[in-house]
Amino acid sequence: GENVEQHPSTLSVQEGDSAVIKCTYSDSASNYFPWYKQELGKRPQLIIDIRSNVGEKKDQRIAVTLNKTAKHFSLHITETQPEDSAVYFCAASMEAAGNKLTFGGGTRVLVKP
Amino acid sequence: DVKVTQSSRYLVKRTGEKVFLECVQDMDHENMFWYRQDPGLGLRLIYFSYDVKMKEKGDIPEGYSVSREKKERFSLILESASTNQTSMYLCASSSGQARRGYTFGSGTRLTVV
Repeated sequence: GENVEQHPSTLSVQEGDSAVIKCTYSDSASNYFPWYKQELGKRPQLIIDIRSNVGEKKDQRIAVTLNKTAKHFSLHITETQPEDSAVYFCAASMEAAGNKLTFGGGTRVLVKP
Repeated sequence: DVKVTQSSRYLVKRTGEKVFLECVQDMDHENMFWYRQDPGLGLRLIYFSYDVKMKEKGDIPEGYSVSREKKERFSLILESASTNQTSMYLCASSSGQARRGYTFGSGTRLTVV
């Protein structure tokens, strides 16, 4: 089955700097890659996703890139703010398989003011 | 506007008890999922269902079973709770058509003593 690895496990950045989280996946058939943000004590929320027919997608201060050949994808957060502090999860799936997502281990991001 | 509701936020059960975790969604989603969340391990899929009365094993089904008698309700059952099942349990649902990712419930933190 699919295996998703996520790095780093923790990330501390100064407010205003950029943060990058990287994930690799094992199954070349995976074609859907969402990112979730989980604030302390809250449920994970979808923040951005990308499909394999697209190499990059941007939404305000967040962007995702996908390299299908290398089987890795990344989340980029620019101009970080304290409210970006959270745990971020990447995931991968084949959309035909009932949308079953395989998640990475998570990255705890701390933005220091 | 809570869309995925988990019946309990916190539960404490004794070793050997049979435990029921309930999840209800009001979005008419076809797919429903149970994950457990442990620090450093991300979210691991226990079981999922893509239709009423249908169920599929995830990555860690041992010690668990599920029931989906109605489209909106997906129950996770711990047949005989053990201390290594102490965890945060997250229910999620998704539409088979829209493919917009998951909507998560708030989670149930289960402690087995």
